Amino acid sequence: EDQVTQSPEALRLQEGESSSLNCSYTVSGLRGLFWYRQDPGKGPEFLFTLYSAGEEKEKERLKATLTKKESFLHITAPKPEDSATYLCAVQAAETSGSRLTFGEGTQLTVNP
Amino acid sequence: DTEVTQTPKHLVMGMTNKKSLKCEQHMGHRAMYWYKQKAKKPPELMFVYSYEKLSINESVPSRFSPECPNSSLLNLHLHALQPEDSALYLCASSQGPWASPNFGPGTRLLVL
Repeated sequence: EDQVTQSPEALRLQEGESSSLNCSYTVSGLRGLFWYRQDPGKGPEFLFTLYSAGEEKEKERLKATLTKKESFLHITAPKPEDSATYLCAVQAAETSGSRLTFGEGTQLTVNP
Repeated sequence: DTEVTQTPKHLVMGMTNKKSLKCEQHMGHRAMYWYKQKAKKPPELMFVYSYEKLSINESVPSRFSPECPNSSLLNLHLHALQPEDSALYLCASSQGPWASPNFGPGTRLLVL
């Protein structure tokens, strides 16, 4: 069974204080790993897709990396508007492509 | 148009009511999804339509009935719901079953 574990559950940072969120996964052949951002009461917003170990993607203050067992979302010099819940999800190659397994998320709060 | 739209934004219904949630996308995506999300939890997949055909039904109770009238529209018909069905219902679409889903803003449903 595919599993995704995100840590920490919650993270409080001061504005400008860089940190990383972790997503550990167990999947029978990784097709893709997805990162989403979700604000309270809204739908998840797509951030990145990573397909193979060693791959990296960047967007503004965010950088996602992937190894064979985990992914990191690095946040550089965060701002209060980066406060949100960050969700990681995996897509297994052997199952229906439409099925994603989500982690429980990391709730990030950035204080001014 | 790069958005998934959902109506209504909020819905309150009694356990004997019949209501429908609507979702629309004009990005030419051929896969559409319904997810259910409870507070502080990740989205849970309910149904997937691929090329307008139901491809995944995650053992959802029959009081939820999906419908895909055409490639741009997705409905979720609700009947005889229970209070525990109260949640944020998210519609999503993707170019195909292997692509990352783009989520709509959701419908906040309260069952009394």
